[in-house]
Amino acid sequence: AQTVTQSQPEMSVQEAETVTLSCTYDTSESDYYLFWYKQPPSRQMILVIRQEAYKQQNATENRFSVNFQKAAKSFSLKISDSQLGDAAMYFCAYEGSNYQLIWGAGTKLIIKP
Amino acid sequence: DTGVSQNPRHKITKRGQNVTFRCDPISEHNRLYWYRQTLGQGPEFLTYFQNEAQLEKSRLLSDRFSAERPKGSFSTLEIQRTEQGDSAMYLCASSLHSGSYGYTFGSGTRLTVV
Repeated sequence: AQTVTQSQPEMSVQEAETVTLSCTYDTSESDYYLFWYKQPPSRQMILVIRQEAYKQQNATENRFSVNFQKAAKSFSLKISDSQLGDAAMYFCAYEGSNYQLIWGAGTKLIIKP
Repeated sequence: DTGVSQNPRHKITKRGQNVTFRCDPISEHNRLYWYRQTLGQGPEFLTYFQNEAQLEKSRLLSDRFSAERPKGSFSTLEIQRTEQGDSAMYLCASSLHSGSYGYTFGSGTRLTVV
């Protein structure tokens, strides 16, 4: 069975600086998708970025980028120029052949002004 | 399109009562998912539909849980004889075909069983 692990329960960063959130996963599949979702307090889950496993190029979305290491089964999220609005729970998720999302436990990101 | 809509936002019920939640997905999305999220945890998959067909159901979903998606439009999730352990946020998401383009989530229904 697939698993997703986020080893950092909480991270903090100074506003305008860069922070990296870690995610590792375990799977025997070769074709899958990986996602980072953001969940602000009492608000809905928002897609931040996605990565197709068959693509070697790391996905980027404005200030958000990933470091996808398929062999190491690692999928970290880098947030550049951190803003106060980035404060939220961040979840790493895996989608394989059964179309179900498997989620990590989340990392709480705190932005210090 | 206003996104994925879930009702009610909050539900407090007494143990043993039945509750029903509704999810209205994005109209052109043919896949609809239900997840459950407890405090401080990532969501757990419950079930999903492709159009009106329920294609997968988690082992987490006991016989007290049932979900429907009549005519492939909105979906309902019913919990019968609620227990305190059912207290959680119930999230609905929809996607176009597979989730490879990402899922759009609703704001969730927070259930508290007292």
